[in-house]
Amino acid sequence: GQQVMQIPQYQHVQEGEDFTTYCNSSTTLSNIQWYKQRPGGHPVFLIQLVKSGEVKKQKRLTFQFGEAKKNSSLHITATQTTDVGTYFCAGIKGGATNKLIFGTGTLLAVQP
Amino acid sequence: DAMVIQNPRYQVTQFGKPVTLSCSQTLNHNVMYWYQQKSSQAPKLLFHYYDKDFNNEADTPDNFQSRRPNTSFCFLDIRSPGLGDAAMYLCATSRAGGGTDTQYFGPGTRLTVL
Repeated sequence: GQQVMQIPQYQHVQEGEDFTTYCNSSTTLSNIQWYKQRPGGHPVFLIQLVKSGEVKKQKRLTFQFGEAKKNSSLHITATQTTDVGTYFCAGIKGGATNKLIFGTGTLLAVQP
Repeated sequence: DAMVIQNPRYQVTQFGKPVTLSCSQTLNHNVMYWYQQKSSQAPKLLFHYYDKDFNNEADTPDNFQSRRPNTSFCFLDIRSPGLGDAAMYLCATSRAGGGTDTQYFGPGTRLTVL
């Protein structure tokens, strides 16, 4: 079946350092969404990417969708302690499906 | 202002004792989803409703059932909980689906099976 993998599984950074998580799908995606889940919380939608090669920014966060629409990345510049949590990418294969295929997630720890 | 509400937030049940988890939404969204999330894992889709149409995932055990009596409410019934069913259960909604809609998650119900 379709798989969406993320690396790394876990990243520990000092506050102020940059962070990147990579998302790779075994199949071409129609679009990709990113969610953040704080410890003990629920996933919260961050952004959606639809076009091949698309880049979107939200303050210190930069999201990219690969040209082949099979991979994506999230880069955080100058991490803060509020960035702590697990970042999930979630792909949609296309067609009439309503279903998200969640990636394996990357847990980010930020040391003050 | 809560948009997706789940009750209870914490549920303890005994091995084999049926349990029902509840989800309600104020968004008037067409699609409602139930996910199971175990520690350090991604949410796993169990099933979803598009309006009244029920869509089960192929690998969802028969032990898990769902009901959606109206647009606002959706229930997850676990007929005979096993120790392996202990997890966080997340309800989510989306406006219409079709692959481009944001999913709004509720706070989850953490299920403990003794």
